[in-house]
Amino acid sequence: DSGVTQTPKHLITATGQRVTLRCSPRSGDLSVYWYQQSLDQGLQFLIQYYNGEERAKGNILERFSAQQFPDLHSELNLSSLELGDSALYFCASSVTPGGYNEQFFGPGTRLTVL
Amino acid sequence: DQQVKQNSPSLSVQEGRISILNCDYTNSMFDYFLWYKKYPAEGPTFLISISSIKDKNEDGRFTVFLNKSAKHLSLHIVPSQPGDSAVYFCAASAQGTYKYIFGTGTRLKVLA
Repeated sequence: DSGVTQTPKHLITATGQRVTLRCSPRSGDLSVYWYQQSLDQGLQFLIQYYNGEERAKGNILERFSAQQFPDLHSELNLSSLELGDSALYFCASSVTPGGYNEQFFGPGTRLTVL
Repeated sequence: DQQVKQNSPSLSVQEGRISILNCDYTNSMFDYFLWYKKYPAEGPTFLISISSIKDKNEDGRFTVFLNKSAKHLSLHIVPSQPGDSAVYFCAASAQGTYKYIFGTGTRLKVLA
């Protein structure tokens, strides 16, 4: 158990809909990262927050947005969903925002768009 | 543009033998590298890392080698055990970028 929690575990929805994925980082971790893993693909970095502020952006679509709240949990909002958005979405956390420390990953949320 | 590449999607090794997983990168600014292991239905877990100031880092049965001139790193697992069967991802980071770039993973199967 990494200490990072993600809810829900599974989500099935229809095209055009909007969903929210939630992540609680490990106790003491200030940085939260979001990744997307599509079938047979690596982990695509989406976005990173540190202590409530956006620090880095990756291949995140404009239909997607995220935020980190004062209690450090984070939410990833996916809107106008398309079939191609079906993927595993992972959240990870680390103590600092720098690239020299390991990230601890949650178990992921599997999103299926029908 | 895939900056971190794992060209072998899968690898099978006999129990007790050495497993060698390879990773190539294109960005010369990368200076920190990590390996993660992922079991089905779980998130990736950190395995081992290496900074660009080193060419080798060892942790028990796991050793990572870095060849900066070739922009290549490899993970050696000796001896391989059936419990090592998983997908292995390498990841790279450059100072100040606050993010990791992951490879597509190599599925290792250790045969008993």
